[in-house]
Amino acid sequence: AQKVTQAQTEISVVEKEDVTLDCVYETRDTTYYLFWYKQPPSGELVFLIRRNSFDEQNEISGRYSWNFQKSTSSFNFTITASQVVDSAVYFCALSEARVTGNQFYFGTGTSLTVIP
Amino acid sequence: DAGVTQSPTHLIKTRGQHVTLRCSPISGHKSVSWYQQVLGQGPQFIFQYYEKEERGRGNFPDRFSARQFPNYSSELNVNALLLGDSALYLCASSDARSLTYNEQFFGPGTRLTVL
Repeated sequence: AQKVTQAQTEISVVEKEDVTLDCVYETRDTTYYLFWYKQPPSGELVFLIRRNSFDEQNEISGRYSWNFQKSTSSFNFTITASQVVDSAVYFCALSEARVTGNQFYFGTGTSLTVIP
Repeated sequence: DAGVTQSPTHLIKTRGQHVTLRCSPISGHKSVSWYQQVLGQGPQFIFQYYEKEERGRGNFPDRFSARQFPNYSSELNVNALLLGDSALYLCASSDARSLTYNEQFFGPGTRLTVL
């Protein structure tokens, strides 16, 4: 069964600090995709990053970076030099590879508050 | 290009009533999925439709049903509403062209309140 766990319920940081959001996943599929989404108070899910299961290369995109480790089934997300606008709920999600469209399994979210 | 649209934006119903939520996918997308997001939780998968056929169903009671129309738009119906059905209902569409990965695009959601 697929499962995504975000152990951190709430995090508060002071502006300009770095913050890492943790995500651990479970799946039996050998091909899968991992995501991070941001959900501001308006409610719309904003896509941030996607990673597929056969590419463990970690990258940096602007102030965002991620650490994907298959050996520990973790997909952690880091925001560097946090800003007040980063305050939101962040969801980690797992998606299987399906030709008819990909069903998402979401974690329970981590609420990030950036204090000015 | 227009993104995924959902209507209505907000809805207030009372227990026992019926509700219909609507979703229009991105033009050319043939797959639509519905998710329920209860306050403080992550979205939970309800249904997936592809080419007007149900291709996936989450762990929801039979009070929840959906359908997809020839133009690929979709409706989510919930009968005999309960207080616990109060949630943000998200629709996502995908073009489902790839044999492996198909990007999903989420709509803004419909916020349903059941009193």
